Amino acid sequence: SQTIHQWPATLVQPVGSPLSLECTVEGTSNPNLYWYRQAAGRGLQLLFYSVGIGQISSEVPQNLSASRPQDRQFILSSKKLLLSDSGFYLCAWSSTSLLRGYTFGSGTRLTVV
Amino acid sequence: AQTVTQSQPEMSVQEAETVTLSCTYDTSESDYYLFWYKQPPSRQMILVIRQEAYKQQNATENRFSVNFQKAAKSFSLKISDSQLGDAAMYFCAYRLILTGGGNKLTFGTGTQLKVEL
Repeated sequence: SQTIHQWPATLVQPVGSPLSLECTVEGTSNPNLYWYRQAAGRGLQLLFYSVGIGQISSEVPQNLSASRPQDRQFILSSKKLLLSDSGFYLCAWSSTSLLRGYTFGSGTRLTVV
Repeated sequence: AQTVTQSQPEMSVQEAETVTLSCTYDTSESDYYLFWYKQPPSRQMILVIRQEAYKQQNATENRFSVNFQKAAKSFSLKISDSQLGDAAMYFCAYRLILTGGGNKLTFGTGTQLKVEL
């Protein structure tokens, strides 16, 4: 069966520090991968998506970047965090047909202080 | 642009009763998917039910069912025999095909469901 792992679960970082959140998927190949951010009490906003290795598309301009160095690995990064980067970050994968919807990771709560 | 609207920020239901959560969407596509996701306090996103737009029959998953009105662009979720474990934030989502390939789920702002004894 397919599983998705996301870490760390919680992170407190000072303003100006770098960020690296990692997400890996097991049990499938060539998944579509996604990074979402959820602000407190609000819905989910798509940040990045990837349909293959090295293929990254950004949905909104921001202080973050994403990379996909391997087929089942998706990384969210920042060189210098801002206070506004605080939030709950969710990684997700789907098959190309989306017949089964998205499967989400357990999320990372990021607090920038 | 496709949008998803959930007009009920909060809903309450008595245990064992039935509750309906509303969702409307805007699209010019004729073929698409709609989803309901549940987010309990753990914040794990859990797929509840999905509906293919080309299917006239409403989807059902145990105590969860939808009322899909394609012409009205309405996609409500009905929870029967509500249980304490149903308490969560519920998100309606619409699947959009991206120009670069892949798919994107556009989410509504959510409805917080409280289940009371």
